[in-house]
Amino acid sequence: DAGVTQSPTHLIKTRGQHVTLRCSPISGHKSVSWYQQVLGQGPQFIFQYYEKEERGRGNFPDRFSARQFPNYSSELNVNALLLGDSALYLCASSFTVNTEAFFGQGTRLTVV
Amino acid sequence: AQTVTQSQPEMSVQEAETVTLSCTYDTSESDYYLFWYKQPPSRQMILVIRQEAYKQQNATENRFSVNFQKAAKSFSLKISDSQLGDAAMYFCAYRSAQSGTYKYIFGTGTRLKVLA
Repeated sequence: DAGVTQSPTHLIKTRGQHVTLRCSPISGHKSVSWYQQVLGQGPQFIFQYYEKEERGRGNFPDRFSARQFPNYSSELNVNALLLGDSALYLCASSFTVNTEAFFGQGTRLTVV
Repeated sequence: AQTVTQSQPEMSVQEAETVTLSCTYDTSESDYYLFWYKQPPSRQMILVIRQEAYKQQNATENRFSVNFQKAAKSFSLKISDSQLGDAAMYFCAYRSAQSGTYKYIFGTGTRLKVLA
């Protein structure tokens, strides 16, 4: 079975641009969460979605948004990119909101 | 708010020896989970071991075991018979078991080097 898949694996964007990151959960999993991992730090919670509804949001500005589709895949959108948005973005899927999460390999975003 | 602290930015261990990674946390909740994750250069977070707070018995997974001290809010990871493949970043994480947002709260990590 495929694990959590994220795309793209790497990308470089310019300040002020917009970016969309994608995540496909493990088959059968209905919850997706997003985390931001800045270099040298642990992952920080951004969003959790379950059954297409937002179930939680971390302390991130409104430039960050996400959604979950009927097939349970998810997108994370970041508008007006700042240099400080450069990070590894991790997606995690779980069967429900309170079961064990499995992480993908992340998308490395570099903002120049 | 819950916090997780890892005070050892980097640790080294000789191959086949034992090493202990430290983690402390702060919470006012009584029901929660604690985890140790391994993050190799491939970047994927891999679950090493988990502990339910209501269980007094320390969790064990092969060469990995924890020392869970609930009153002291301490959760250390012991790696026995260290192998070269154990070299990675290790993150301690907390997750509430009460209703609400089941987010993971991570520490800042400990880089483990294994010396041949």
